Amino acid sequence: AQKVTQAQTEISVVEKEDVTLDCVYETRDTTYYLFWYKQPPSGELVFLIRRNSFDEQNEISGRYSWNFQKSTSSFNFTITASQVVDSAVYFCALGGGFKTIFGAGTRLFVKA
Amino acid sequence: DGGITQSPKYLFRKEGQNVTLSCEQNLNHDAMYWYRQDPGQGLRLIYYSQIVNDFQKGDIAEGYSVSREKKESFPLTVTSAQKNPTAFYLCASSILSEETQYFGPGTRLLVL
Repeated sequence: AQKVTQAQTEISVVEKEDVTLDCVYETRDTTYYLFWYKQPPSGELVFLIRRNSFDEQNEISGRYSWNFQKSTSSFNFTITASQVVDSAVYFCALGGGFKTIFGAGTRLFVKA
Repeated sequence: DGGITQSPKYLFRKEGQNVTLSCEQNLNHDAMYWYRQDPGQGLRLIYYSQIVNDFQKGDIAEGYSVSREKKESFPLTVTSAQKNPTAFYLCASSILSEETQYFGPGTRLLVL
């Protein structure tokens, strides 16, 4: 069975702190996609990144970075120098299309 | 601008009433999806459609119905058989059924 675990329900940080959101997944598939989405208070899910299981290179996009480790089945997301606008619920997901399994989400509060 | 629109933003349902949530996309995506999100939880798949005039049940299809008469449109009807309809409903689309999903702004359904 496929599963995505985001063990951190809520995280609270002060602006400019770095924060890492954890994501652990389970799958028997040899080929799969991993995703991160951001859900701000407005409700819409915003796509952040997709990673193919064959590509274990870490990725950096501005203040965002992702660490994919197949050996530990983890796909962690780090925000560097957090800002108040980063406050949102972040979802990790596995699969793609109708096979997508979402984690329960991590709510991030960034205080000024 | 390409994107996904959902209407209305808020919808109120009376006991025994069927209501329909609209989802339209102009991204020329083949696949479309409906998800339900309950407070503090991840997304659960209700229905999906990979091509016009075809759709499949997701994990929680009971009490819901859909149609896909046009590529751009995938309306969801919440029937009176759905006993606990209060939730946030998100529509998504993707180029292919295995690809990244892009989401609309959501509809919040409340029961009077």
